[in-house]
Amino acid sequence: ETGVTQSPTHLIKTRGQQVTLRCSSQSGHNTVSWYQQALGQGPQFIFQYYREEENGRGNFPPRFSGLQFPNYSSELNVNALELDDSALYLCASSLAGTGVAFFGQGTRLTVV
Amino acid sequence: GDSVTQMEGPVTLSEEAFLTINCTYTATGYPSLFWYVQYPGEGLQLLLKATKADDKGSNKGFEATYRKETTSFHLEKGSVQVSDSAVYFCALSNRNNAGNMLTFGGGTRLMVKP
Repeated sequence: ETGVTQSPTHLIKTRGQQVTLRCSSQSGHNTVSWYQQALGQGPQFIFQYYREEENGRGNFPPRFSGLQFPNYSSELNVNALELDDSALYLCASSLAGTGVAFFGQGTRLTVV
Repeated sequence: GDSVTQMEGPVTLSEEAFLTINCTYTATGYPSLFWYVQYPGEGLQLLLKATKADDKGSNKGFEATYRKETTSFHLEKGSVQVSDSAVYFCALSNRNNAGNMLTFGGGTRLMVKP
């Protein structure tokens, strides 16, 4: 079975720009969650999607948005980038009800 | 809200030393508890889990016991190796929250010297 894959692995954006990060779920998983991990800190929950619907959201502003597609892959979009958005963005997939999440390697976003 | 507190690192040990990384939590209801490990430049890997009080999770020589009376889930290993050097995250998942949302501690960096 394939694991969780994220793209791109690294990118640099300018303040005020928009960015889209992508995630392919592990085979058979129907739930995708996104986390932001600032340098030296633990991951913070952004939101979760289940069957293409948002199923919970952390303390992040509306400029953080997402999508989940019928094949359970997902996108994270961030508008009006700020310097503090610089972080490692992690995608995690799981099968609803199992309580176990599997993480991708992350996308390192640098906002300059 | 739910929260997880871990001992601050870095923790520096010699090879074959005994490891303890403390983790305590605050949560409503009956959360599941996890330890994840992050190697340099990589994402998080599930190390072990426990889903109810007194459960012991174990994997690769690591173990942790779900202690509801002390709201703790301390990670232990009897003999660490250089390859165990990584950042370790304690986390909880609470069914009162959205789906499988995880609340993480701040992480503890472990450095093992030969």
